[in-house]
Amino acid sequence: DSGVTQTPKHLITATGQRVTLRCSPRSGDLSVYWYQQSLDQGLQFLIQYYNGEERAKGNILERFSAQQFPDLHSELNLSSLELGDSALYFCASSTTGVDTQYFGPGTRLTVL
Amino acid sequence: GQSLEQPSEVTAVEGAIVQINCTYQTSGFYGLSWYQQHDGGAPTFLSYNALDGLEETGRFSSFLSRSDSYGYLLLQELQMKDSASYFCAVRGYGQNFVFGPGTRLSVLP
Repeated sequence: DSGVTQTPKHLITATGQRVTLRCSPRSGDLSVYWYQQSLDQGLQFLIQYYNGEERAKGNILERFSAQQFPDLHSELNLSSLELGDSALYFCASSTTGVDTQYFGPGTRLTVL
Repeated sequence: GQSLEQPSEVTAVEGAIVQINCTYQTSGFYGLSWYQQHDGGAPTFLSYNALDGLEETGRFSSFLSRSDSYGYLLLQELQMKDSASYFCAVRGYGQNFVFGPGTRLSVLP
């Protein structure tokens, strides 16, 4: 158990819909990262937040947005969903100044 | 930008030693990390090289050579449970993380 929690574990929705994925980092970690992993693919970095502020942006679509709240939990919002958005979405957290990331169990999103 | 390359698959037998290579093209990065991911599971951290040279953590070792744009993960005394995908990753100076495509390791009895 990494200490990072993600909800929900599974999500099934239809094209055009909007969903919100939630992540709680390990206690004390200020950084939160979001990744997308499609079937048999590598991890695509989406975005990083540090203590509530956006720190880095990767290949995140304009239809996707994220935020980190004062209690440090983070949410990833995916809108106008397409079939190709079906994937595993991982959240990770890390301690300040350290590159080691601890990953949550992931949310499996299926868009029908 | 950054791009990382890894072999797609590696096969070895129990008890053997295997090396998974990672070559990269990047404008600059802080360090090279390695992660293990079992099917259906989350990636877990294995090793990190901030400087050139070898880092050893139990049965796993990782090596980095910035001058050769190359790193590797060495797994010794292979066990069946080591069958998994292995990813190298870098954090660029722009703070974004880039993961390699992953190497699927199959350990045979």
